[in-house]
Amino acid sequence: DAGVIQSPRHEVTEMGQEVTLRCKLISGHNSLFWYRQTMMRGLELLIYFNNNVPIDDSGMPEDRFSAKMPNASFSTLKIQPSEPRDSAVYFCASSLALGAPGQGGTGELFFGEGSRLTVL
Amino acid sequence: GQSLEQPSEVTAVEGAIVQINCTYQTSGFYGLSWYQQHDGGAPTFLSYNGLDGLEETGRFSSFLSRSDSYGYLLLQELQMKDSASYFCASRNNFNKFYFGSGTKLNVKP
Repeated sequence: DAGVIQSPRHEVTEMGQEVTLRCKLISGHNSLFWYRQTMMRGLELLIYFNNNVPIDDSGMPEDRFSAKMPNASFSTLKIQPSEPRDSAVYFCASSLALGAPGQGGTGELFFGEGSRLTVL
Repeated sequence: GQSLEQPSEVTAVEGAIVQINCTYQTSGFYGLSWYQQHDGGAPTFLSYNGLDGLEETGRFSSFLSRSDSYGYLLLQELQMKDSASYFCASRNNFNKFYFGSGTKLNVKP
């Protein structure tokens, strides 16, 4: 399996431009998470999906951020318009949501390599 | 709310044993995971505790005490390649994962 695939790996753009980050899940996984990592704020959960349905988007910082999961294997995170404070590494991660503790679920998240975004 | 506390930095020498502690406050807590991240890389899974007790995976062990809302990661026979950041992450009953701020481990020769 190729693992979680993110694109682009690096993006440099100017303030006000639209940014689209893409993520392909591991086949068979049913949960998808978008995280943002900065030195100041660490790993922040932005949004996550179970079975293509957004479950919790309370971490999405503003209306400028939106995420979609049009099918079971693919997701996009869009920032429009982008601002310099959006500069960060954006990770997506997938997992197989399983049962309660002791029922075999390891809770393992498989992360992509990340998309490093710089907004000038 | 949700919060996880872990030390910001730990230094140890090659061959030694180091313990990284994590205390958490998570509504609907299900389990605690540990992840390793090298500079410029992605977090990678190390261990998970869904139940109280010790889980051992090679040189790494992880422990959970639900009654104390506490866990730790134990790294034995430290190697230079273990220099990285280590994150604890709590999982809640909606399969939502929250990460601590990370502990930077410096392994010295």
